[in-house]
This record gives sequence, structure tokens and C-alpha cells, in this order.
Amino acid sequence: GAVVSQHPSRVICKSGTSVKIECRSLDFQATTMFWYRQFPKKSLMLMATSNEGSKATYEQGVEKDKFLINHASLTLSTLTVTSAHPEDSSFYICSAASGTQGTQYFGPGTRLLVL
Amino acid sequence: GQQLNQSPQSMFIQEGEDVSMNCTSSSIFNTWLWYKQDPGEGPVLLIALYKAGELTSNGRLTAQFGITRKDSFLNISASIPSDVGIYFCAGLSNTGNQFYFGTGTSLTVIP
Repeated sequence: GAVVSQHPSRVICKSGTSVKIECRSLDFQATTMFWYRQFPKKSLMLMATSNEGSKATYEQGVEKDKFLINHASLTLSTLTVTSAHPEDSSFYICSAASGTQGTQYFGPGTRLLVL
Repeated sequence: GQQLNQSPQSMFIQEGEDVSMNCTSSSIFNTWLWYKQDPGEGPVLLIALYKAGELTSNGRLTAQFGITRKDSFLNISASIPSDVGIYFCAGLSNTGNQFYFGTGTSLTVIP
């Protein structure tokens, strides 16, 4: 149980375009989903916390107008990187929290490359 | 946000050896979690700990939630090549929904 999927697994786009990444909890409902960014050989960096039906909470230094998050249902959250630039190239990982104890289950990640 | 202090940063061991890594924090945590991440993949949950003093095993893996609620360790017995990867600890603070990650331990197992 507690499977989280992400789509796409990797994407290459041109500078200036927008990219949408989907995160789905497949076998449980997640009132809270999280979006992380990971640089090579580094730990995960929390970008934002997404609550179903309400606005996302962004971490300090993360531009909410650049990284749009929508959590439309209990099983789906999306991250849209708007007007992507090469410095946005990274590994983006989502997670979904299950149960009252807050255990997070991670998706497989999305590798974004902006040319 | 805050990160947990995880050590060691990296380990190179012979196949068959036991491994131990730990995580400490200056704050109290309600939950400790251990994850393993393979290259290009998302972290996979190994063990979850919800009570101070709790000792939990998952196959060759054993983890403990420290009595002070400020630390946790993960042991891997009789390591095998597929244990290679980066291990992260994570903790849920007792003040709310803040979730913090350790800096990671990179494990290399030499056949």
C-alpha cells in the first residue's frame, strides 16, 4: 500500500515554456502533499506543502508565482514550473502524507531539463 | 528549513559487514522515519518509528527511536551489494506538521 506516482518521469523543455508535473496517491487519500527539489548528491529541499482545497504553503525563498501548485483532489497535486529557465533544471519529487502520524510516501521523481 | 544531523556522511564497507548510521536533532520529534534512495529514484520508506524507545526491524534492517526523542539510529546487518544507495532519516516535529530531513548517508558496498 501507500503508492505514489509521478508523471512525467523525465521532461526536456525549451527555456520560457511551462511544465506541469502530476503527483498521485494511488491507493490512499492524502490531504497533504509535499513538493521537493533535489540537487545532485544533496538532501531533499522542501519547496511547498499542498493541502487539498486550499492554497499551498511555500517555503522561504520559493517563488509561488513561478512554481504553481494545485491540489484539486485528495489523490492529485500538480506542480507547474512557469517560464522555465535552465537553472530550474533539477529532480522534483512529491510525497503524500498518510494517516495521522504524518508518514510521507514519495513518488519516483521527475527529472526536468530546461534547454 | 532545519535539517537533521546525520552521520556518517558516507561509508565504504565490505559485503557481509554490518552498518550503523544515526541521526540527531536539537528538537524533540514525534516520528522518526528512515528512507533509502537509489540514483534517479524517489526515497523509499524503510522503517517508521512512532514511540520513544521503539525498536523496529524490517528484514536485515533495525532502527530505534531514541529515548530522548532527539535521535534515531539505523543498523543494516550482513550488507549485500543491493544495499548501496543514500539513506535519509526524517523526523516529524512535536510542534506541528514540520517534517525535517537528514543530510543523508551514502553507502557503498564492495563485493
